Amino acid sequence: EAAVTQSPRNKVTVTGGNVTLSCRQTNSHNYMYWYRQDTGHGLRLIHYSYGAGNLQIGDVPDGYKATRTTQEDFFLLLELASPSQTSLYFCASSDRRGNYAEQFFGPGTRLTVL
Amino acid sequence: GQGVEQPAKLMSVEGTFARVNCTYSTSGFNGLSWYQQREGQAPVFLSYVVLDGLKDSGHFSTFLSRSNGYSYLLLTELQIKDSASYLCAVPPFYAQGLTFGLGTRVSVFP
Repeated sequence: EAAVTQSPRNKVTVTGGNVTLSCRQTNSHNYMYWYRQDTGHGLRLIHYSYGAGNLQIGDVPDGYKATRTTQEDFFLLLELASPSQTSLYFCASSDRRGNYAEQFFGPGTRLTVL
Repeated sequence: GQGVEQPAKLMSVEGTFARVNCTYSTSGFNGLSWYQQREGQAPVFLSYVVLDGLKDSGHFSTFLSRSNGYSYLLLTELQIKDSASYLCAVPPFYAQGLTFGLGTRVSVFP
């Protein structure tokens, strides 16, 4: 059973649309992260959380909101999607101060904004 | 500032070795991680190093020189299935996530 799952796996929306990406981990980890991956930029940290109700800003937070509802669930929200947010989004979790610990990644969600 | 640099591509032959280099700059050092990412898949953790020197993990070994801001991942006895991108990552001082390099695409040929 996969320890980090993401849904949907693929999503197409239009400019200005409202999108929610979901992530669930069953690792009992405290830390969860959202990254985006783009050619020429690599993986970049959007938001992260160290527990339910907590949210921290990463490197590229503009245009994104996130919410950690439980230890298991972390959501990424795009309220006014733009074509620049077309990307591959990964969720990850880790069990310590995640700055150096091993991170477990979900399979990714490919988002296309038309 | 914060930066992680890696060569874009590397080609090697099955049964030989490949060395993937990584240079980094960071305000304060708290370890360096290596990940493998196959095409269309998620990154998978390989190794974490925080002390200078060579860390031998069998098929994968890692080297770190903190004074030079340099690390490498050494893949030995290469197999075709080792063809993948290898990502180097360091934690930024201001956040709890990771700053990744762009990755080195390793291609292993028969």
